[in-house]
Amino acid sequence: SQQGEEDPQALSIQEGENATMNCSYKTSINNLQWYRQNSGRGLVHLILIRSNEREKHSGRLRVTLDTSKKSSSLLITASRAADTASYFCATVPGGNKLVFGAGTILRVKS
Amino acid sequence: DAMVIQNPRYQVTQFGKPVTLSCSQTLNHNVMYWYQQKSSQAPKLLFHYYDKDFNNEADTPDNFQSRRPNTSFCFLDIRSPGLGDAAMYLCATSNLGGSRTYEQYFGPGTRLTVT
Repeated sequence: SQQGEEDPQALSIQEGENATMNCSYKTSINNLQWYRQNSGRGLVHLILIRSNEREKHSGRLRVTLDTSKKSSSLLITASRAADTASYFCATVPGGNKLVFGAGTILRVKS
Repeated sequence: DAMVIQNPRYQVTQFGKPVTLSCSQTLNHNVMYWYQQKSSQAPKLLFHYYDKDFNNEADTPDNFQSRRPNTSFCFLDIRSPGLGDAAMYLCATSNLGGSRTYEQYFGPGTRLTVT
């Protein structure tokens, strides 16, 4: 079974607005990662936050992690049409593998 | 540029006809993964190789097999494809060095259609 759950399942916003996606997980983690997938393509790694970090920034991306609530959020500021994609969180419950959440489909309207 | 390459990008096969998907990498990563992704779902791990050590997920159907003849190449064999095997198949790599972040690098995927 998947470790992560994400909400919302789908999000539609206007260009220039901020988009926030949330991820919850079940077990302890070493780190949590966010990936983007454009339609019909492979996944692209966006950002990684370690379990001892609470917030991380990369360009227009801001990720927070609350290990006490087993949750993370991804904020995309000043969204662009090119940000339209599916976004997945992923955790490492054990072993050499990631477990992905169900994903959030983001649509940015221009 | 270092990358993960998948061929072909689109594959059509007939019900029950064996098919092989290929993946190659120029990243020299020690781990390679195969995922199955169906429409609007998260990628589902089928198996992975840590160097030559093969690791099969418990719920991966016996119909799916994999080969990794060397560090650079990995193959996914579907012995008798059924209609339910139509999906996007994603190959990914990871370099499990000292940091153990498990960050993965994905290929563009192969879209498999079963007729």
